[in-house]
Amino acid sequence: DIQMTQSPSSVSASVGDRVTISCRASQHITSWLAWYQQKSGKAPKLLIYTASSLQSGVPSRFSGSGSGTNFTLTISSLQPEDFAIYYCQQSNSLPLTFGQGTRLEIK
Amino acid sequence: QLQLQESGPGLVKTSETLTLTCIVSGGSIRNSNFFWGWIRQPPGKGLEWIGSVYYSGSTYYNPSLKSRVSISVDTSKNQFSLKLTSVTAADTAVHYCARGIAVAGSENFDHWGQGTLVTVSS
Repeated sequence: DIQMTQSPSSVSASVGDRVTISCRASQHITSWLAWYQQKSGKAPKLLIYTASSLQSGVPSRFSGSGSGTNFTLTISSLQPEDFAIYYCQQSNSLPLTFGQGTRLEIK
Repeated sequence: QLQLQESGPGLVKTSETLTLTCIVSGGSIRNSNFFWGWIRQPPGKGLEWIGSVYYSGSTYYNPSLKSRVSISVDTSKNQFSLKLTSVTAADTAVHYCARGIAVAGSENFDHWGQGTLVTVSS
C-alpha cells in the first residue's frame, strides 16, 4: 500500500493568513493526488484533483501543487469557513489511501 | 442535483454482518462516467477506503478487508450496497457512500452521502 503522510498534523492560523499543508507519498504517484476538506460532523468535500486542478465551485484561494512524492495544499487568505480538517488521497494504485489529516484551527 | 443517502442499522452485533445501502437520487447509477464507493471513518480518526464498484460490474476492495467485504449494485433501484461479515468493535465507524470520478487517470470522490454511524457491540 502507498502510505500518505501529512504535515503538520495540526496548525493554528488567523483569518487572512496564508497556510500551506504538505502531503508526502511513500512511492511515486505522478499527479494522482486529491485534497479534501472535512468540517466537523460532515462528509469530506473534494477541493483539488490531479494535484492542482480546482474542483468546480471551490474558491480560488485554494490551490494545489506538486508531483511525484511531494505535494502541497495552499490557502492564500484564510476565511472563517476554512477551519476544518484536510486530507490528501492518492489514486496511483489500489488500495486508495488517505493521509492522516491536518487540523486547521483558529489562532 | 445528485444526492446519496446511506441506510441501514446503526448497531450490529459482534461476528454478524454489517449491511448498508446507498440510495442515489438526481442521477443514474448506470452512468459509465462514474463509479461508486464506500469509505469509512472510525470515531475521531481518518478515512479508510473500503471498496468501489464500476459500471462494468467490476469491484475492487481494500486488501485489509477483502475477505469480508462485498459491494453490489442494484440498477433497478438506483442503489448500491455494502456487506461486511464477521464484524468486530474495530469496524465501528461512520460509513460514507460516494460517487467516484476518474479524471485523467486520477480517481476521486466528488459527491458524498452524509454518513451513517455503525456501532459494533456484543
